[in-house]
Amino acid sequence: DQQVKQNSPSLSVQEGRISILNCDYTNSMFDYFLWYKKYPAEGPTFLISISSIKDKNEDGRFTVFLNKSAKHLSLHIVPSQPGDSAVYFCAASIGTSYGKLTFGQGTILTVHP
Amino acid sequence: DGGITQSPKYLFRKEGQNVTLSCEQNLNHDAMYWYRQDPGQGLRLIYYSQIVNDFQKGDIAEGYSVSREKKESFPLTVTSAQKNPTAFYLCASSISFNEQFFGPGTRLTVL
Repeated sequence: DQQVKQNSPSLSVQEGRISILNCDYTNSMFDYFLWYKKYPAEGPTFLISISSIKDKNEDGRFTVFLNKSAKHLSLHIVPSQPGDSAVYFCAASIGTSYGKLTFGQGTILTVHP
Repeated sequence: DGGITQSPKYLFRKEGQNVTLSCEQNLNHDAMYWYRQDPGQGLRLIYYSQIVNDFQKGDIAEGYSVSREKKESFPLTVTSAQKNPTAFYLCASSISFNEQFFGPGTRLTVL
């Protein structure tokens, strides 16, 4: 049972444009969401997170939006750069579940110069 | 330099052999985790440990074992009972219960 889903396996955008990566979840108990970026043969690195008490969190070029009623979150990257090309994972946790991050399958982002 | 190290980066083993993957952190984090990544799939939690001498099963613990004798170290043993051990293994640690820092990973191939 995939509780966190990233339905787009890949996304291709032009440098300078906006990249929008989407993530859906089914478990209404999730109350904290994270995005990780991963290069091949490396470990993921934390990008940005959002608590369920917010609907938006911004950090530089990265903004995460949370729509609780739709159980949907998205990561916006503006402007996209070739160095952003990587696999992006969304993850979710339930507040008291120490360490129990549930990850989506990942979306491969390719930013073309 | 603070960080998480995993060794080796690539590991080959014959079917039926147990193999131990190393994970060390010098971040002074209390919690440590092991994940497995398969092609086209997200990371799946194998085991995690919140404190020394204590650990919990994750979603796919069968065929794996861990120990946590020191705060800095959380080795993972892939036993011969693991039906499909070939995968990319990632270790992580955290000081808060959500933001986890990952090591570079070990790619295990069972021949």
